[in-house]
Amino acid sequence: DTAVSQTPKYLVTQMGNDKSIKCEQNLGHDTMYWYKQDSKKFLKIMFSYNNKELIINETVPNRFSPKSPDKAHLNLHINSLELGDSAVYFCASSQAPGSQQYFGPGTRLTVT
Amino acid sequence: DAKTTQPPSMDCAEGRAANLPCNHSTISGNEYVYWYRQIHSQGPQYIIHGLKNNETNEMASLIITEDRKSSTLILPHATLRDTAVYYCIVRVNAGNNRKLIWGLGTSLAVNP
Repeated sequence: DTAVSQTPKYLVTQMGNDKSIKCEQNLGHDTMYWYKQDSKKFLKIMFSYNNKELIINETVPNRFSPKSPDKAHLNLHINSLELGDSAVYFCASSQAPGSQQYFGPGTRLTVT
Repeated sequence: DAKTTQPPSMDCAEGRAANLPCNHSTISGNEYVYWYRQIHSQGPQYIIHGLKNNETNEMASLIITEDRKSSTLILPHATLRDTAVYYCIVRVNAGNNRKLIWGLGTSLAVNP
């Protein structure tokens, strides 16, 4: 059983479109995260939720909106996609904020 | 901004110990050092973490200097499957929460 899963694995779309990435964890963790990894492999946290509440919101354009319908899911919706949004997006979860994190396989987003 | 600096790349012979250094000279007293690795384009994988004392688990050992300004991750018997990017990370307090500040990592190549 996959601990942290993301869909889709690959996403190719045009500028200006709106898209969503989904994440689910079956570890019973309270905390979930979204990270962005750019072409230089730099991994930067975007958002973190604990018990469905937003606890970390880095300087991310408000075109990005996370949603946590329950503790096991954290989705990421992106409006008006731009070329600079092209990256690999990783979801992760942990028992508590900042503790050992388990990562999903990533979603490679390409905006053309 | 990253709180750690690592050499961009290293080589190691299969079966030998791999010693990966990390500088974190601005680390605060209650900030932990974490190590993760990323194999090819997979999601990062937790390896080990520590605060002051040296730590060992089934994957690796973590040696932290007494002044806590640097640390070394040791893979005692490197195998080809240990070829990956190794990230040294400081966990910082963010208000009432904690987050991981990632650097650019060291790309370790284990050679036969």
